Amino acid sequence: SAVISQKPSRDICQRGTSLTIQCQVDSQVTMMFWYRQQPGQSLTLIATANQGSEATYESGFVIDKFPISRPNLTFSTLTVSNMSPEDSSIYLCSAWTGLQETQYFGPGTRLLVL
Amino acid sequence: DQQVKQNSPSLSVQEGRISILNCDYTNSMFDYFLWYKKYPAEGPTFLISISSIKDKNEDGRFTVFLNKSAKHLSLHIVPSQPGDSAVYFCAASTGTGTASKLTFGTGTRLQVTL
Repeated sequence: SAVISQKPSRDICQRGTSLTIQCQVDSQVTMMFWYRQQPGQSLTLIATANQGSEATYESGFVIDKFPISRPNLTFSTLTVSNMSPEDSSIYLCSAWTGLQETQYFGPGTRLLVL
Repeated sequence: DQQVKQNSPSLSVQEGRISILNCDYTNSMFDYFLWYKKYPAEGPTFLISISSIKDKNEDGRFTVFLNKSAKHLSLHIVPSQPGDSAVYFCAASTGTGTASKLTFGTGTRLQVTL
C-alpha cells in the first residue's frame, strides 16, 4: 500500500492569487494523479503527473491554469493559478504503486476562493 | 456526459441488514471497476474491485456484482455496521487498470442506523 499526505489540508484564498498543493507518498510509486471534486460532484481527473516530464492533462484542463511538477517518484505539486471562486473544490492526489490494482488517495486539500 | 452514474444520492439501512449500492455505466470500454469509501475530511479508501472477466468478487462483508450486459454493478455489504456510514463511490477504468484514469460516479451516502 501507499500512504499519501497533502499540504495544505485547507486554505482560503483571494481571487487572482495562486496556491501550490504538495503531495508526498511514503514510497516510490509508478504513477501519480491529481483529481478535483467540486461541490456535489464526482471526482474528476485533472492530469497525470509524469516523473521528469510534462504532465498529461485531461480535456478541459490546461497547464497554464494547473501547472504540475513531479521531480521524483514520491513527490508532486499542483498549482491552481489565477484563482476564481469556480476553483473552490477539494483537490486530491492519488498514486498507483504498480503492485496492486488500486489507486491510493491522499486526504485532499479543501480550497475556498473568495 | 456522466459515464458512471450512481442514481441514489443517499441510502439508510438498519444495522445488521444488507446494504445494496448501485452503479451504472455507459462506456462499454470500461473493463475494471472499483468501489471506494470516503469519510468526511479524508480521501477515498479502496474497498473492493472487479475485472470485467468476472461477475462477482467477494471480500469479507463486501461483495461486488457485475452485470456487463446491463452495464450495472452493485456493492453488497452484509451485515451493515454503523462504521460503514460514509459516502461510497464507484469508479471505472479502461485498458490498463488503475494505472490510468479513473472515472467516478457522484457517490451514494450510506447511513447505517442502530
